[in-house]
Amino acid sequence: QTVVTQEPSFSVSPGGTVTLTCGLSSGSVSTNYYPSWYQQTPGQAPRTLIYSTNSRSSGAPDRFSGSILGNKAALTITGAQADDESDFYCALYMGSGIWVFGGGTKLTVL
Amino acid sequence: DVQLVESGGGLVQPGRSLKISCTASGFTFGDYAVTWVRQAPGKGLEWIGFIRSKAYGGTAEYAAPVKGRFTISRDDSKSVAYLQVDSLKTEDTGVYFCTRRAVAAWAFDIWGQGTMVTVSP
Repeated sequence: QTVVTQEPSFSVSPGGTVTLTCGLSSGSVSTNYYPSWYQQTPGQAPRTLIYSTNSRSSGAPDRFSGSILGNKAALTITGAQADDESDFYCALYMGSGIWVFGGGTKLTVL
Repeated sequence: DVQLVESGGGLVQPGRSLKISCTASGFTFGDYAVTWVRQAPGKGLEWIGFIRSKAYGGTAEYAAPVKGRFTISRDDSKSVAYLQVDSLKTEDTGVYFCTRRAVAAWAFDIWGQGTMVTVSP
C-alpha cells in the first residue's frame, strides 16, 4: 500500500522561510504524480494552494511556492505570517483516478 | 459564487446506510469531476473516491479501504453528487467534504464546507 509521508510538525519564526516535504514510502515523487498542496485551519474546509507541482491556485498568496526537491515534492513558505499557522496536506495522483493524501504537517509560527 | 454545499450528515447507528449530498452552484456542474474526502476527528484528510464527468464516462473510482461499501453517483440535472455509505462502521465517523476536480489539473480547486457523520450505537 502506498504511503505518502509528511513531517508531522514544523515550526518557523515570523518572517522566516520553511520548506515542507511530501514523499513516498517507496520510490520518488516526480512531476508525474502532479503533487498538490492544501492548507487547513481547525474547523474549516481545506483550501488549495498549489497544484501540478508548482502552479499557484487562484487566491493563494505568492509567498507559497511548490517544487520537487530531490525525491520529494516541497512546499516553501517565504516570509511566514502568523496566520500561516495551520495544517498542510499534500496529495499525489497515482493514476487511474486515484489520489492519496499525506498525513499532514502541523505548522507552528512562533 | 462558485460553491459546493454538503448535506445529509448526522448521527447514524452502526450497520445502517447513509446518503450524503453535494450541491453545486455558480458553475456548469456536469463539466466537472467530483471527489469525496473525509476527515476523522483529529486526523488528516483521506481521499475516498471520485466520479468523472459524463464526458469521461461518469464512472467512479474508490480508495481500497472503502471499495464495496461506498458508492458515488451524480445527477447533473440537479447539479448534485452523492456519496452513499453502506454498513456504516464507527470508524466512518468524521467530516465528509466534496471537492471539484480542477480543469486540466490533477488536483481539487473548490471545497465544500463539509458535513459531519457520527456513527454510534
